[in-house]
Formats: sequence, structure tokens, C-alpha cells
Amino acid sequence: ELVLTQSPNTLSLSPGDRATLSCRASRGVHNNYFAWYQCKPGQPPRLLIYGASTRATGVPDRFGGSGSGTDFTLTITRLEPEDFAVYYCQHYDSSLWTFGQGTKVDLK
Amino acid sequence: QVQLVQSGPEVKKPGSSVEVSCKISGGTFSSYSINWLRQAPGKRPEWMGGLIPMLGTPDLSEKFQDRVTLTADESTNTAHMKLRSLTSEDTAVYYCARSMSGYPPWPQHWGLGSLVIVSS
Repeated sequence: ELVLTQSPNTLSLSPGDRATLSCRASRGVHNNYFAWYQCKPGQPPRLLIYGASTRATGVPDRFGGSGSGTDFTLTITRLEPEDFAVYYCQHYDSSLWTFGQGTKVDLK
Repeated sequence: QVQLVQSGPEVKKPGSSVEVSCKISGGTFSSYSINWLRQAPGKRPEWMGGLIPMLGTPDLSEKFQDRVTLTADESTNTAHMKLRSLTSEDTAVYYCARSMSGYPPWPQHWGLGSLVIVSS
């Protein structure tokens, strides 16, 4: 069973800072099947990045995804106030979507 | 513009069933994957299953396959998720999500969620 482990659990930053979030898979996965989501209270999850590095429609270009194999990264180049949220990585399989435990980006 | 409108909150007794509906407007209903996920407070999202209405056969998470039924009514552009044998562990917000075109079926469009509380 695939396990996605995100680090750190919490990232305390200020607006304008750069955020680097990591996700490690317990085995190698194909880039095509890897995504990142943003979650805010009272809102549905928002697809940010799919295929490891492609921004979803309407996602600002300060969000970027990279990585391959077992190690993937979500980078937010300059944090805006609306970016403080919980971020999840996810792997797609037709019979199971696996999510990491999440990284909370909060205000320092 | 694609919109997904979900049914309202539910309070259910343990052992009962709940059905959540998801009416989709904008775009073509039948040819996109509709997936169901849930999220309990403070927990990661959890995928339950999905189906493409024109194909009919759902993909189900092994965790839920014995007690979840996914259907799609093409005459009303509405998807349904029924979960049986509820326990307190099923208390969560349930979401439907419609995919973008292509494969994998990444969930581009989401409903606002339906809160289900299971309590005696």
C-alpha cells in the first residue's frame, strides 16, 4: 500500500515568504498520477497542481510543483494572505486515491 | 461554467443509511468522471469512489466497496452516493467532484459539500 508522507507538518511563515512543501512516496510513482490540493475551512479542496507540475485552471503562477519518483515538492514563491491553508499531496490509482497527511501553512 | 449543487446536511442514527445527491450543470454530464470524497474534521480527504455516467460501472475504494453505491441519472444530470451501515466514524463532509477532460480524471470542479453527522 502506497503511503505519502508530507513534511513539515506545519510551516510558520509570513506574507511574502517562500514556502517549500515536501511529499515523499513509499515507492516510486509516475509523475502523471501526482497532484497537490489546497484546503481551507468551510471550502472544498482545490486542485492546485496535477501531473506533478501542471497548474490547474485559475491557479496563480506563484504555485509550482516539481519532483519525480518518490520525492515531490510544492513551492509557493511569495505567500499571499489567502495562501495560508492546509496542503495535501495525492496519488491517483484507478482503485485508490491516496492522500498525504497534510502540511499546514500558518501565519508566523 | 460547471456547477455542482449538493444536497443538504443530514443527521443519521448508527446503522442507518444516507444518500447524498449532486446535481451538475454546465458541460457534458455523461462523459466526465464524477468522484466522491469525504473529509472528517482535521483529517485528510478520503476518496470513496467514482464513475463515468456513460460507462456506468464505478471504481470503488476497497474500504467502502461493501457499503457504498454510486449512481448517476443522466435524465436529471444528478449523481448519487449512498452509504449504508453508518457509524460515528462516517461523520464527515461528503464532496462530489467532476473531473477535467483527460486521464487521470483530476477533480477540477467541486460541490460545496454535504455534512453528514452520525449520532445516536
